Amino acid sequence: GAVVSQHPSWVICKSGTSVKIECRSLDFQATTMFWYRQFPKQSLMLMATSNEGSKATYEQGVEKDKFLINHASLTLSTLTVTSAHPEDSSFYICSARTGQGAINGYQPQHFGDGTRLSIL
Amino acid sequence: GENVEQHPSTLSVQEGDSAVIKCTYSDSASNYFPWYKQELGKRPQLIIDIRSNVGEKKDQRIAVTLNKTAKHFSLHITETQPEDSAVYFCAASNSRSSASKIIFGSGTRLSIRP
Repeated sequence: GAVVSQHPSWVICKSGTSVKIECRSLDFQATTMFWYRQFPKQSLMLMATSNEGSKATYEQGVEKDKFLINHASLTLSTLTVTSAHPEDSSFYICSARTGQGAINGYQPQHFGDGTRLSIL
Repeated sequence: GENVEQHPSTLSVQEGDSAVIKCTYSDSASNYFPWYKQELGKRPQLIIDIRSNVGEKKDQRIAVTLNKTAKHFSLHITETQPEDSAVYFCAASNSRSSASKIIFGSGTRLSIRP
């Protein structure tokens, strides 16, 4: 159980294109989803936290108009990289957390497989 | 906000030997400390976690220790095997906060020499 599906797994597109990445929880309801960016040989940097039905909370330094996040349902969150440029090329990973099945208040995060974005 | 530091950045050990990775955190409110293993191009996978109400936890060849006073926690892998080669990330979280976001360390690239 607790499967998170992320799509697409790999995107190559021209500079100026907008790219949408989907993150779905397949067998549980995700009250909260997180979006991370990972550059080669670096750590996962949290970009934003999204709660179903409300606006995302962005980390300092992350442009909310550049990285649009929508969490319209308990099983789907999307990240749209608007007008992407080569410096946006990275590995983007989502994770989802359920409000159910918590043990002593700790709710594990389940990660998607990631999306490798390459902007030419 | 929380800041997690991790050392070393790279670690090479002989197969069969032990590997130790150390982390420190800054926010005394953090109470949940997961460890993730990430193979190249793949998702991070939770391998073990520890909560602030315990000082040590073990699962077969993997153990974690936590020193709340010093804000240190460590991962110990014994009898290392080639399949242990990967990047390992420590992380910290305050599960009591409304966001409960996980902040990752910088990662340790572990290589097991045959």
